[in-house]
Amino acid sequence: AQKITQTQPGMFVQEKEAVTLDCTYDTSDPSYGLFWYKQPSSGEMIFLIYQGSYDQQNATEGRYSLNFQKARKSANLVISASQLGDSAMYFCAMREVNDAGNNRKLIWGLGTSLAVNP
Amino acid sequence: DAGVTQSPTHLIKTRGQQVTLRCSPKSGHDTVSWYQQALGQGPQFIFQYYEEEERQRGNFPDRFSGHQFPNYSSELNVNALLLGDSALYLCASSLEGGSYGYTFGSGTRLTVV
Repeated sequence: AQKITQTQPGMFVQEKEAVTLDCTYDTSDPSYGLFWYKQPSSGEMIFLIYQGSYDQQNATEGRYSLNFQKARKSANLVISASQLGDSAMYFCAMREVNDAGNNRKLIWGLGTSLAVNP
Repeated sequence: DAGVTQSPTHLIKTRGQQVTLRCSPKSGHDTVSWYQQALGQGPQFIFQYYEEEERQRGNFPDRFSGHQFPNYSSELNVNALLLGDSALYLCASSLEGGSYGYTFGSGTRLTVV
């Protein structure tokens, strides 16, 4: 069965420092996608970054980068130069894609609560 | 360009009642998925609608049902509410046929008392 594991319930980081949030996944499908979302206290899921299973390079989006190690089935999120506004819950999610390229459901981890200290 | 709009934002219901939650997808998106997020948990997939049909369903009882309208908006209905149905209900829209992006709404916080 497909599964996402986030082993860090909570993380602290000093403002302007970098932080890595861990995510490991399990799937038998060769085609899948990995997402990171940020969820502030308001509840909305905010898309941060995406990595496809066939992508050759690690994804980057501004201060966010994804350390994708396919053989180890890990997709860690790196946030550089942390800001106070980065304090939130962070979720790793996996999507499977069928042969027709249709969207499928997202499978989510339990999340990591990040607190950025001034 | 409006994102995903969910209504209501909060509501309180009594056990045994029925509730309807609504979702308007992002402009241009044609697929709507619903998720239930209990406190301290990650979201759990309820079902997905495309072309007004339920295309995929998660491990939820038949008390959970939905609908998608011709304008791609969607409703989630929950009958015979249980205390355990208290959660944040998230709607996500996407574009079928190639786009991987999902846009989420701010959710509806349902409390069952």
